[in-house]
Amino acid sequence: EVQLVESGGGLVKPGGSLRLSCAASGFTFSSYTMNWVRQAPGKGLEWVSSISGGTTYIDYADSLKGRCTISRDNAKNSLYLQMSSLRAEDTAVYYCARRVVATITDYFAMDVWGQGTTVTVSS
Amino acid sequence: EIVLTQSPGTLSLSPGERATLSCRASQYVSYSYLAWYQQKPGQAPRLLIYGASSRATGIPDRFSGSGSETDFTLTISRLEPEDFAVYYCQQYGSSSYTFGQGTKLEIK
Repeated sequence: EVQLVESGGGLVKPGGSLRLSCAASGFTFSSYTMNWVRQAPGKGLEWVSSISGGTTYIDYADSLKGRCTISRDNAKNSLYLQMSSLRAEDTAVYYCARRVVATITDYFAMDVWGQGTTVTVSS
Repeated sequence: EIVLTQSPGTLSLSPGERATLSCRASQYVSYSYLAWYQQKPGQAPRLLIYGASSRATGIPDRFSGSGSETDFTLTISRLEPEDFAVYYCQQYGSSSYTFGQGTKLEIK
């Protein structure tokens, strides 16, 4: 079964740091670009960051650029998001999500999502 | 940054009716960069449509996507009780993804 399981969320004080993890199973992890997407309470979806399978391509949303680092360990089938200088507005459920892969066309969509891990930034 | 505007914000319909959800982009979006998701309370989003019109694996054929350039539509031909949820469109451009603000489909 294809699965993504996030962990590492929790309560952190403003200015603090946190490292989120996402464990992948059921597919060849190294062949897929992976993403982090977040959702603040009662709000919509916001893309955070992407990393290609071989880590050649890494992108960040402007809202988090300079405050987070995406990485992956293909040997461990794991994705990470290191966040620092956290603010109240970073409070959200953080999802990891797999980008669709097709043989001919480059599609930019996310076909497998984890259940999310909750980050709360509060004093 | 390309902004996606979804309409209506809330759509009230009855099971069996047809739902038409709109997603308008502030700039041209390539068809292969447009996707639609469904999200139910407490759950992760689920991919419905990618490439503007291709159904994802396991998605019933009552869901269909259409459109091009700046105007895209998600149609649910005959609503089932499990279809009442929030729907998001998403695009990719300039090395980033953006989502629309969502359309809530509620039971009338």
